[in-house]
Amino acid sequence: DAGVIQSPRHEVTEMGQEVTLRCKPISGHNSLFWYRQTMMRGLELLIYFNNNVPIDDSGMPEDRFSAKMPNASFSTLKIQPSEPRDSAVYFCASRPRQGQPQHFGDGTRLSIL
Amino acid sequence: GESVGLHLPTLSVQEGDNSIINCAYSNSASDYFIWYKQESGKGPQFIIDIRSNMDKRQGQRVTVLLNKTVKHLSLQIAATQPGDSAVYFCAENMAPPYGGSQGNLIFGKGTKLSVKP
Repeated sequence: DAGVIQSPRHEVTEMGQEVTLRCKPISGHNSLFWYRQTMMRGLELLIYFNNNVPIDDSGMPEDRFSAKMPNASFSTLKIQPSEPRDSAVYFCASRPRQGQPQHFGDGTRLSIL
Repeated sequence: GESVGLHLPTLSVQEGDNSIINCAYSNSASDYFIWYKQESGKGPQFIIDIRSNMDKRQGQRVTVLLNKTVKHLSLQIAATQPGDSAVYFCAENMAPPYGGSQGNLIFGKGTKLSVKP
């Protein structure tokens, strides 16, 4: 079975540019999560959706970050404008239902120069 | 062992030995706990979970123990193999309303397991 699919796997861009990260959750899962992982701060939840509706975006660092889930099989995380401190690995995860484990994609390694 | 919010500790074991990775959680409202394994360049991979109404759960070569009295979680890996080398995270699920309307996972910083052949 296909797991959570993220693209691109790696992204290198200059500061000020717009960055769009993509995620396809596991089919049938009703919750989707975006995380950021750094050595300093570990794994941080940015935002999560339930049935395509954003439930909690309190982890989104600032207005430069936005996330959408237009349908049950696709979500994007956008950073505009990007800054060097946004460099991290960004993970998407999906979950069948509450009380079940989240399943992670292999992440997007983002480097902002 | 590790605790949410602390630096990343390292555990080094000999191949074939048993490994025990510890985790202290801080929220007595947490009702569900998960262990994840993360290999280099990959996302966290689900290993095993346990609910707060249990104190032990076994999987293939892995056992999770939960002590709610002292808010402690451990992962035991039997006959550790080189392929077990990775960073292991515990995660706690805070039941609503503490974790938001749907409950959130709170991840620890992880423990690095290194297996010597």
